[in-house]
Amino acid sequence: KQEVTQIPAALSVPEGENLVLNCSFTDSAIYNLQWFRQDPGKGLTSLLLIQSSQREQTSGRLNASLDKSSGRSTLYIAASQPGDSATYLCAVENTGNQFYFGTGTSLTVIP
Amino acid sequence: DTGVSQDPRHKITKRGQNVTFRCDPISEHNRLYWYRQTLGQGPEFLTYFQNEAQLEKSRLLSDRFSAERPKGSFSTLEIQRTEQGDSAMYLCASSSDRVFDEKLFFGSGTQLSVL
Repeated sequence: KQEVTQIPAALSVPEGENLVLNCSFTDSAIYNLQWFRQDPGKGLTSLLLIQSSQREQTSGRLNASLDKSSGRSTLYIAASQPGDSATYLCAVENTGNQFYFGTGTSLTVIP
Repeated sequence: DTGVSQDPRHKITKRGQNVTFRCDPISEHNRLYWYRQTLGQGPEFLTYFQNEAQLEKSRLLSDRFSAERPKGSFSTLEIQRTEQGDSAMYLCASSSDRVFDEKLFFGSGTQLSVL
């Protein structure tokens, strides 16, 4: 079974700092990987989708990379803002249309 | 496109009662998923529909759980004889099956509390 791990579990940074969130997975036979944001008590919002054949995706201040062979992905957030405070989750899709989620990184950006 | 809608937002029930949740996916999405999430954990897969066909079901899903998606549109998730361990946030998500367009879109969830 696919196991997804996210490190660190929690992160606190001052506003304006660049930061990196990590995601690792045990089975490299993935179809794609997605990064999500979740605000307290809310559903998840998809931030970036990386296909297994791609190396990275960018959206605004966010950049996600994928190294399938080593089972790792990173989410880079540039110039962090207090509004970025949320839990960030990564999910991998194996063939068979099942998504496996990590437990997330809780990010706090201090003004 | 109004996004994925879930109803109700909150449900409080007594142990042993049956509950039913509804999910309306984004209209052009043919894939629909149900997940369960407890505090501090990532969403856990429950079941998956491609149009009206239920193609995957988690082995963790007991016989008390059943899901339907008649006519490939909205979906319902029913839990019979609820137990306190069923208390969780139940999330519905939908996606397209077009290659490079498989982003998951989630609803706001139904928070279930079993007393």
